[in-house]
Amino acid sequence: DVKVTQSSRYLVKRTGEKVFLECVQDMDHENMFWYRQDPGLGLRLIYFSYDVKMKEKGDIPEGYSVSREKKERFSLILESASTNQTSMYLCASRGQLEQYFGPGTRLTVT
Amino acid sequence: AQKITQTQPGMFVQEKEAVTLDCTYDTSDPSYGLFWYKQPSSGEMIFLIYQGSYDQQNATEGRYSLNFQKARKSANLVISASQLGDSAMYFCAMREVYNAGNMLTFGGGTRLMVKP
Repeated sequence: DVKVTQSSRYLVKRTGEKVFLECVQDMDHENMFWYRQDPGLGLRLIYFSYDVKMKEKGDIPEGYSVSREKKERFSLILESASTNQTSMYLCASRGQLEQYFGPGTRLTVT
Repeated sequence: AQKITQTQPGMFVQEKEAVTLDCTYDTSDPSYGLFWYKQPSSGEMIFLIYQGSYDQQNATEGRYSLNFQKARKSANLVISASQLGDSAMYFCAMREVYNAGNMLTFGGGTRLMVKP
């Protein structure tokens, strides 16, 4: 079974803090993705990566950066967290057909 | 313009009845794929079913079927014999072959509630 894990299920951070969200997949997938999920808006793509050290902006990259130093790990970084980044963050990796998702991290910025 | 539209924010269905969740999409790419995912209250996204734009037949997976009407650009999910465990958020998504990275574009979701 494909496994995508995320470092935290719940996270509370203060405005201005630097936040790291980690994602690890165990299926040697090349493509990995970070989404944020907000009510009524579905999932929106923040960044994706199609190989180690390769990254591309998604639809809403502002305020975020990513890092992919190893194939299995894709990190999302909030350089200076703001309250409008309070959301559910979902990581995914792509297999042959569908994307496999991690359990999500619910981030609250106060 | 929205690429994926799910017009039903919330729906109720009686247990054991069938329910249709609507999804319309917009693309000029001749080759694309359509996906449905289920998200229970626990938060994980569960892949349900896939339809390719060139597939001749509607996709089926157990109690799930996809009513694919290409000319109308709709890909509705049909769940037969609803169960209480079907209560969840459901997301329709599209992958356009020509987009880099094979990313998915998601609709806003439909919350399905199954009544006993």
